[in-house]
Amino acid sequence: KAGVTQTPRYLIKTRGQQVTLSCSPISGHRSVSWYQQTPGQGLQFLFEYFSETQRNKGNFPGRFSGRQFSNSRSEMNVSTLELGDSALYLCASSLAGTSEETQYFGPGTRLLVL
Amino acid sequence: AQRVTQPEKLLSVFKGAPVELKCNYSYSGSPELFWYVQYSRQRLQLLLRHISRESIKGFTADLNKGETSFHLKKPFAQEEDSAMYYCAPNSGGYQKVTFGIGTKLQVIP
Repeated sequence: KAGVTQTPRYLIKTRGQQVTLSCSPISGHRSVSWYQQTPGQGLQFLFEYFSETQRNKGNFPGRFSGRQFSNSRSEMNVSTLELGDSALYLCASSLAGTSEETQYFGPGTRLLVL
Repeated sequence: AQRVTQPEKLLSVFKGAPVELKCNYSYSGSPELFWYVQYSRQRLQLLLRHISRESIKGFTADLNKGETSFHLKKPFAQEEDSAMYYCAPNSGGYQKVTFGIGTKLQVIP
């Protein structure tokens, strides 16, 4: 079974631009979660989608948004990029997204904002 | 507020020495508890889950509800254990995992 894939793997943007990241979950998984990983803050939860609906959201500004498609693929968008948005963005998938399920992580998209 | 604390950012031990990675959580209700590991240049992956009560790669984790802790232990550290370890309580029914800041384990040969 193919693992979680994320595209692109690397991105360089400038302040004020917007960016869209993509995540394809493991086949059959319907829950997709997004995380921001930085050296100072560790892994921070952004949001979780299930059946095209956002079920949970972390404490990030509205510039961070996402969506999920009917095939469970998910995209994350960050508008008006700031230097502090430079991070590794991880997505993870699980079957139904219940709290006792293991999450399977993608390799991440490394975003650098200049 | 839900919170998880991993007090050590870096833990260095000698090969063969015991390892204990600390994790304390502050959660309402009874969270599901996980330890995830990230080896160098590999993706984040599950190490073990409290619900499974298993030992993976020699690691075990005991839930202490009184102390609200879920420390990760291994009696004899190996060089291949060097990695970032994240304690991850999950509560609320759905995936909204709060990860700790992580502890980097460095096993010295």
